[in-house]
Parts: sequence; C-alpha cells; structure tokens
Amino acid sequence: EAQVTQNPRYLITVTGKKLTVTCSQNMNHEYMSWYRQDPGLGLRQIYYSMNVEVTDKGDVPEGYKVSRKEKRNFPLILESPSPNQTSLYFCASSLSPGVNTEAFFGQGTRLTVV
Amino acid sequence: RKEVEQDPGPFNVPEGATVAFNCTYSNSASQSFFWYRQDCRKEPKLLMSVYSSGNEDGRFTAQLNRASQYISLLIRDSKLSDSATYLCAVNVPGLTGGGNKLTFGTGTQLKVEL
Repeated sequence: EAQVTQNPRYLITVTGKKLTVTCSQNMNHEYMSWYRQDPGLGLRQIYYSMNVEVTDKGDVPEGYKVSRKEKRNFPLILESPSPNQTSLYFCASSLSPGVNTEAFFGQGTRLTVV
Repeated sequence: RKEVEQDPGPFNVPEGATVAFNCTYSNSASQSFFWYRQDCRKEPKLLMSVYSSGNEDGRFTAQLNRASQYISLLIRDSKLSDSATYLCAVNVPGLTGGGNKLTFGTGTQLKVEL
C-alpha cells in the first residue's frame, strides 16, 4: 500500500530536549516536505527536499533541521524545541512539485512542548 | 497579501444544499491548482485537481479563473459526510531556481446539518 509514515503520532516533550520526527514514503517520490498546521494559519511549509541531499527552506524554517540521505526518508529535527513549536506536523511526498502531481500526507504528529 | 487566501467559514448548510467555496492566489505564474479535504485532526487528502477547462467529479465541480486568479469548488446535493475542511493548494514557482512549492490556503470549514 502506498503510504507516508510518520512517527511518533503524539509527542510531549520539554523545552530544549532534542527530538526527531521520522517520515518515510514507499512510493519512490523525489519530492518531500514538512508542514506545520496551526489554527488560523493553515499549513505552512517548513522545509522541502527535491531529491537526495537536496533540501531547502520553506516559509517557517527557524528552529528546524532536516536531512535527506535516502530517497525514502526525510526526518525533521528540532535541536532545541520551544513552546512555540507546539503544533500539528505533516510530512508529504509527491513525484515532483510539478504540474498536477498529488501530494500524499502522513497521518500527522501532534507535538506539545512544555 | 497572502499567496493563497480562503474564507475560513464555517459554512453551515442543510443537507441537500449547494455550496461554493472560492480561493484566490496572488502569483500569476502559478501552474497547478488543487482542492484537498481534511477531516478533523487527520491528514489532508486530494479531493481533485483543477484544470483550466474546469472539471467535475460526481457532485463536485472545480473551476479555474486565471484572469481573476481564483479557483472555486462547488458541491451539489451536500451530504452529512461532506462535513470537513476544504483546503485549496496552488503550485507556486520557486525563487532563485528552487523547485515549485505547494502552498495551501488556511481552509474553509463546511458543516452539513440535518
């Protein structure tokens, strides 16, 4: 089954404790991205990757890091989480960001930073 | 001005009603357009792509107006199960040689009632 898998689904952590949210897709997609979703602000792109070892900042990259060492995996790293990073996070993948290509989303990770 | 804008709603409509959502975008170079559906606390899923000539899928019709830079979604004979948040998404050309970026509106909430 074609899917994007995120882990964990729920996470409560303390300020400053490094964490990683994993994302894996089994569709051989080139393009992957991370979004955060907040009430009234919608989905905002954090980082994206056009292929292995090619990553770039989205609209709200501050406080986050990513890596793309393999095509299928695109982890999101919070080196020193802060309460303003409490949010619902989605990983997405698509064949390319080009014309009429569907983005597939993971089930989301609800992160609370206290 | 936001790149993609939607009325957040909520739109409360009776079962069987016809409801229409609009979404405006600011970048005239945008290349592709989509409507996604998001159920509460779940991941967005593609509802339909929006083609230049307009397209229909059962009770759903999507249209694109490039001159006025908006897309629309029409739902006929609405069902209780149509209750969800509808997100428009626009593929925006990247800056400085970066890839295209899928930018989402904040979503319009639809509640279909008996």
